[in-house]
Amino acid sequence: DSGVTQTPKHLITATGQRVTLRCSPRSGDLSVYWYQQSLDQGLQFLIQYYNGEERAKGNILERFSAQQFPDLHSELNLSSLELGDSALYFCASSVATGRYNEQFFGPGTRLTVL
Amino acid sequence: KNEVEQSPQNLTAQEGEFITINCSYSVGISALHWLQQHPGGGIVSLFMLSSGKKKHGRLIATINIQEKHSSLHITASHPRDSAVYICAVRYEVSTSGTYKYIFGTGTRLKVLA
Repeated sequence: DSGVTQTPKHLITATGQRVTLRCSPRSGDLSVYWYQQSLDQGLQFLIQYYNGEERAKGNILERFSAQQFPDLHSELNLSSLELGDSALYFCASSVATGRYNEQFFGPGTRLTVL
Repeated sequence: KNEVEQSPQNLTAQEGEFITINCSYSVGISALHWLQQHPGGGIVSLFMLSSGKKKHGRLIATINIQEKHSSLHITASHPRDSAVYICAVRYEVSTSGTYKYIFGTGTRLKVLA
C-alpha cells in the first residue's frame, strides 16, 4: 500500500458525460501527479500540482482539467467524454517537486466510456 | 521515432537468470525513472537517476548520459519479478521548473520457475 488513495476504482459512463476522479496523496506529500494509461498510447503524463498550484503540464486535453485543494487532495475532471478516453488514470504523490523526488502511485481508476 | 525506446518489448527468462532491460532516449534529460507495473496494474517506482549507478536488492540501474542510454538489471531473477518495466525521462523546458515527462512503451518480463 503506497498510501495514495484514488476513488472510485471503477467508473463506467457514456460518451458526452462528465466525471470527476479523486486522489488523496500520502500524508505530508505536497505534489500530486496525474497520468493516463491507455492500450494504444501507453502511459502519459497529464499534469502536476504542487501545494495547490499547477507545476507542469503534459499531454492533457482541453476537455480535462484538474485542481489541488487546500487539504492537498486533487481532482481530475474529464468532460465531453469520448470512447478514446477509456483508460486507467493514476495519480501519484511526492514530498516536493524536484526531479529526484520519488513518486508513490495510487491504485488507479479504471474509466470505461461506452 | 519515439523519444524513449525500450528493448526488448517482451522477455521470457528462467528463474535465476540475469536480466537486462534497455532504455534509449533522444533528448537531453534531467532525470530518468524506472517503474515496475505488476500484473494487477499497480505501479511502483524503482529508481530515479541522472548519473552513474544505483542498486536496491537484486535490482541495479545504470545510466550513460553521453550515450543517452540506461539499463535495468535484475540478478538471480525470480517469478515474482514478472511485471512490465517502464522507463520514463524528464527533461526541463525552461529555467522556471517546467518540464516534460515521457514514458517508454515498457518491457514485459516473464520469469518461469
